[in-house]
Amino acid sequence: KQEVTQIPAALSVPEGENLVLNCSFTDSAIYNLQWFRQDPGKGLTSLLLIQSSQREQTSGRLNASLDKSSGRSTLYIAASQPGDSATYLCAVTNAGKSTFGDGTTLTVKP
Amino acid sequence: ETGVTQTPRHLVMGMTNKKSLKCEQHLGHNAMYWYKQSAKKPLELMFVYNFKEQTENNSVPSRFSPECPNSSHLFLHLHTLQPEDSALYLCASSQVVRTGAGAKDEQFFGPGTRLTVL
Repeated sequence: KQEVTQIPAALSVPEGENLVLNCSFTDSAIYNLQWFRQDPGKGLTSLLLIQSSQREQTSGRLNASLDKSSGRSTLYIAASQPGDSATYLCAVTNAGKSTFGDGTTLTVKP
Repeated sequence: ETGVTQTPRHLVMGMTNKKSLKCEQHLGHNAMYWYKQSAKKPLELMFVYNFKEQTENNSVPSRFSPECPNSSHLFLHLHTLQPEDSALYLCASSQVVRTGAGAKDEQFFGPGTRLTVL
């Protein structure tokens, strides 16, 4: 059974700081890994998707890496802003089934 | 605004009521999903439909009854719910595509329905 763990559970940083969120998974047989952002009481917004054969993906200030052999992914956020405050979820997908981590709640202080 | 819509956005119901949640996707995907998100718990997959056929039922109680009349619409019928069923119910859709890097199955989510059971 696939298990996904995200560390840390919560993170508070001052504005402008670079930060890294971590995601680990137990079964490397995946199609892809997705990073999502969720604002309180809202749905999930897809940030980045890395396919199993890829090592990283970038979008603006976000960079996600994937090391499938070790079952790890990181989401790097550069020059954080208060608007980045949200919960970040990672999910691994295989054969139409996705398993989610508990999320990391990020607070960026002005 | 995403290509997945959900109605209603908020719902309050008593334990004896019957209500339905609706999800519609405008992305041409062939798979649709219901998830439950409770406070301080990870997202729980409830049901999966592929080409209108249910392919996953994650041990969900029978008081939740899904319906998928076509690939674009998904319903969740609710009856005799319990207060612990109060949660955010999220719908998602996806389609497996083959790229040069292999298979990709990207999920797109709706805004959710906040359900409160009194």
